[in-house]
Amino acid sequence: EIQLQESGPGLVKPSQSLSLTCSVTGYTITSGYDWSWIRKFPGNKMEWMGYISNSGSTNYNPSLKIRISITTDTSKNQFFLQLHSVTTEDTATYYCARRGYTSFDYWGLGVMVTVSS
Amino acid sequence: ETTVTQSPASLSMAVGEKVSISCKTSTDIDDDMNWYQQKSGEAPKVLISEGNTLRPGVPSRFSSSGYGTDFVFTINNVLLGDEGIYYCQQSDNVPFTFGSGTKLEIK
Repeated sequence: EIQLQESGPGLVKPSQSLSLTCSVTGYTITSGYDWSWIRKFPGNKMEWMGYISNSGSTNYNPSLKIRISITTDTSKNQFFLQLHSVTTEDTATYYCARRGYTSFDYWGLGVMVTVSS
Repeated sequence: ETTVTQSPASLSMAVGEKVSISCKTSTDIDDDMNWYQQKSGEAPKVLISEGNTLRPGVPSRFSSSGYGTDFVFTINNVLLGDEGIYYCQQSDNVPFTFGSGTKLEIK
């Protein structure tokens, strides 16, 4: 069974960087598909942030392009999110997800991140 | 970027009723629309993917229709366990974009 699990600090100070890890089990991330980060803001708005493909290429939401980085550690079957220069507007629940041929077909449970001093 | 406009924002239905949720896109996306259900404390779950395709294991009470810019998601004979937030999401072009969500309450 494919499972994804997010981990990382729940509290980040404004202007600092947010760093999250997605650990994948049941499927090797280099075998196929794209691996995304998606966030859900208070009030339920969802935003796709970007993905890294199984070959390591990335595609980011233009709204985040100068602040975001998605990378992998294939030896650990993990992928990572870095979001720089965070503000309170980045407070959200962050999800990692696999994009299948059409939809986001596997998701983690999410990790809530608050940006506050 | 394709904007997805979802309505209504919330619904309160009785068991057995029919639910309809609309999503309209700002660009023509063919039938590249997906529908998700998120229950409280759980990850989103895809119910219907591109081409109005019901995912394996999803009850046939759930269905969708639409092509181009207008899409409708339907739940026939809604059950108590269908409570949650429903989202549409276009997968035609990057950045992938979501509707604003419809919160479904079962009376």
